[in-house]
Amino acid sequence: NAGVTQTPKFRILKIGQSMTLQCTQDMNHNYMYWYRQDPGMGLKLIYYSVGAGITDKGEVPNGYNVSRSTTEDFPLRLELAAPSQTSVYFCASSLQQGGYSNQPQHFGDGTRLSIL
Amino acid sequence: EDQVTQSPEALRLQEGESSSLNCSYTVSGLRGLFWYRQDPGKGPEFLFTLYSAGEEKEKERLKATLTKKESFLHITAPKPEDSATYLCAVQAPGGGATNKLIFGTGTLLAVQP
Repeated sequence: NAGVTQTPKFRILKIGQSMTLQCTQDMNHNYMYWYRQDPGMGLKLIYYSVGAGITDKGEVPNGYNVSRSTTEDFPLRLELAAPSQTSVYFCASSLQQGGYSNQPQHFGDGTRLSIL
Repeated sequence: EDQVTQSPEALRLQEGESSSLNCSYTVSGLRGLFWYRQDPGKGPEFLFTLYSAGEEKEKERLKATLTKKESFLHITAPKPEDSATYLCAVQAPGGGATNKLIFGTGTLLAVQP
């Protein structure tokens, strides 16, 4: 069972470059999320999606964009990379039913991104 | 302001030495409290969900408990393979369709043989 798969695992970007972090899940989960994890800080939500075609901002969305064209895939786009976006990025998914969103989220192994 | 605080930041135990990790929270209308384990270079791995005060969950050497203000993760007779960072997250109303999931900064546990 693959679960949540993220690619690439590592990436170095130059300031001003752009890239897309890929995330795919095979659990047929309807909700998907993007987080960033910085040293000494809790995970912060960037964007989330409650289903194909529906996305919304989280706590720290500036500098990022997302799309959700299928249930399985939820790519995160960085435009004009800045040093402040150096971080570890995690994608997660969960199965929410009945209007409740208190089911556990399942995480991928992350993308470690450095902006130089 | 909704907050989640984990203590201690780091904990070193001898193999077999039982202890507890703490997660204290201040949120209105708790929807759920989650414990995760995170190994170096990996994503958080789900351990437990607790929904109401008094609830307890167990898995191997781990036991999670919940009160109205905090949760404990008890580790009984730990082994070196229990070494990891343990994350606590609390879900509260607000934040759109997802409610709000607020993560603590984690407790780094090292178990020495």
